[in-house]
Amino acid sequence: GAVVSQHPSWVICKSGTSVKIECRSLDFQATTMFWYRQFPKQSLMLMATSNEGSKATYEQGVEKDKFLINHASLTLSTLTVTSAHPEDSSFYICSAAALEGKNIQYFGAGTRLSVL
Amino acid sequence: RKEVEQDPGPFNVPEGATVAFNCTYSNSASQSFFWYRQDCRKEPKLLMSVYSSGNEDGRFTAQLNRASQYISLLIRDSKLSDSATYLCVVKHEFYFGSGTKLNVKP
Repeated sequence: GAVVSQHPSWVICKSGTSVKIECRSLDFQATTMFWYRQFPKQSLMLMATSNEGSKATYEQGVEKDKFLINHASLTLSTLTVTSAHPEDSSFYICSAAALEGKNIQYFGAGTRLSVL
Repeated sequence: RKEVEQDPGPFNVPEGATVAFNCTYSNSASQSFFWYRQDCRKEPKLLMSVYSSGNEDGRFTAQLNRASQYISLLIRDSKLSDSATYLCVVKHEFYFGSGTKLNVKP
């Protein structure tokens, strides 16, 4: 199956710092990438939909100035959590949908963010 | 109202049992449906797509009912290794259900 690489897998940072998470599709081109957040024992919540070369579409309640998304190429999207606070601690997962195919999403392994 | 709603869990079943999960969706324009499996602290992995005519993959059967707007997943002869959280996904904008936790006991 298609491979999506997400980096870093785990990050611990101090409150107030910014954290960048990368999501790469390794063996296919992804016209659309998605960013999710998952709190313990809860489902994935879609944060934003990222299309290559255009602005991301954010879900209601997600602050676009807080969670900066850049989708510069068909294989790379980044999520930057700016001025992170302890309440931003969560599991962030990206996924990518192939240009061609069956509307199937392929997920990165996730990034566990812990803000102290 | 949530876009996608799932049966609450956990479902605790003995090995060998048959278990079924349902998932209802609110947007009748939804086009694609999937079941994902998520192990603890890992990313979701695609289990199977759900086709209009229903589809089967080994011990797993998925069905779609457009009229009632729900999808289902049936697992036969449950194995210990089936213990996980099962998430339904409805693509209008890739909304996930909240997940159903399955615990298969020896």
